[in-house]
Amino acid sequence: AQTVTQSQPEMSVQEAETVTLSCTYDTSENNYYLFWYKQPPSRQMILVIRQEAYKQQNATENRFSVNFQKAAKSFSLKISDSQLGDTAMYFCAFMIWGNQGGKLIFGQGTELSVKP
Amino acid sequence: ETGVTQTPRHLVMGMTNKKSLKCEQHLGHNAMYWYKQSAKKPLELMFVYNFKEQTENNSVPSRFSPECPNSSHLFLHLHTLQPEDSALYLCASSQETELPQHFGDGTRLSIL
Repeated sequence: AQTVTQSQPEMSVQEAETVTLSCTYDTSENNYYLFWYKQPPSRQMILVIRQEAYKQQNATENRFSVNFQKAAKSFSLKISDSQLGDTAMYFCAFMIWGNQGGKLIFGQGTELSVKP
Repeated sequence: ETGVTQTPRHLVMGMTNKKSLKCEQHLGHNAMYWYKQSAKKPLELMFVYNFKEQTENNSVPSRFSPECPNSSHLFLHLHTLQPEDSALYLCASSQETELPQHFGDGTRLSIL
């Protein structure tokens, strides 16, 4: 079964501090993509960062970076210099390919609150 | 402007009503998706359309009926829904199914 687990339903961090959101997944596939999406109160899901499983180098996007451990099937998101606008639900997801194309599998989400 | 527009933003309906959710994408994408987002649960993929053809129906009850008249528009027709169908329904699109998806703001559906 293809699953994504986010073990932290809620987290909080002080503004300007660093926070790490955890994500583990289970798949027998060797090729896949991993994503972190952000969903603020406005409800729109916004792609934060993407990692190709065949790349060993961890993806970085400004204040957002990932720690991708393929053997451990772990894909954590680190947010540096947290800002109030980072307050949102964060979803970890991975994409596998079947006969009909790509399919996204999501985790349950982590609700992050950035406090002033 | 998100590129993917969903209407209405909120919908309250009785179990015997018939209503439709609309999604429009302005990104020139070829694939469109419907997801259901319930509280404390992962997003559930409902339907996938690729080049207007349905390629995925994730065991969705027949009271949900999708329609994709062209690559830019996707509808979800609702009929005789149940209280457990109350959720946020998200539409997404992507250039190809293997590429990242862009999401709309969703329709918050409440079934009385």
